[in-house]
Amino acid sequence: GENVEQHPSTLSVQEGDSAVIKCTYSDSASNYFPWYKQELGKRPQLIIDIRSNVGEKKDQRIAVTLNKTAKHFSLHITETQPEDSAVYFCAASKGSGGSNYKLTFGKGTLLTVNP
Amino acid sequence: EADIYQTPRYLVIGTGKKITLECSQTMGHDKMYWYQQDPGMELHLIHYSYGVNSTEKGDLSSESTVSRIRTEHFPLTLESARPSHTSQYLCASRLAVTDTQYFGPGTRLTVL
Repeated sequence: GENVEQHPSTLSVQEGDSAVIKCTYSDSASNYFPWYKQELGKRPQLIIDIRSNVGEKKDQRIAVTLNKTAKHFSLHITETQPEDSAVYFCAASKGSGGSNYKLTFGKGTLLTVNP
Repeated sequence: EADIYQTPRYLVIGTGKKITLECSQTMGHDKMYWYQQDPGMELHLIHYSYGVNSTEKGDLSSESTVSRIRTEHFPLTLESARPSHTSQYLCASRLAVTDTQYFGPGTRLTVL
């Protein structure tokens, strides 16, 4: 089955700096890669996702890049703010719409943004 | 409001009790999932369902059971709770024609 590795497990940055979280996956058939943010005591929420036919996607201060050949994808947060402090999860799946797929999650990265 | 609801949000019980964690969604989703989340953050899939009367075990072995009699309802039952079952349980769902998976707020279970 799919295996997703996520690094680092903890990341501390100063407000205004950039943060990068990296994930690798094992199944070359995986084609959907979401990122979730979980604030303390809250539910995981989707913040951005990317499909295998796209190399990069941006949404304001966050961006995700995908390298299919190397089987890795990364989350980039620019101009970090204290409210970016949370646990971030990457995930991978072979799904596409109606297929019966399961998300395989990385172990999570605890991001702390220091004011 | 269309959402995923979990009850109770917090539960403290004694060893040996039978409990049911409720999960309902009003989003019209047909796929539903249960995850167990460690204190150390990691999410483990323990059960999933692709539709009514369809249930499968997930990647992490669990002594819990699930049922899916109605599309919107996916309860999880522990017949005899033990301290090792202490964890946060997250329900999730998605629509068959999309990949986006949504999570419920979770139930934090403590077994004494």
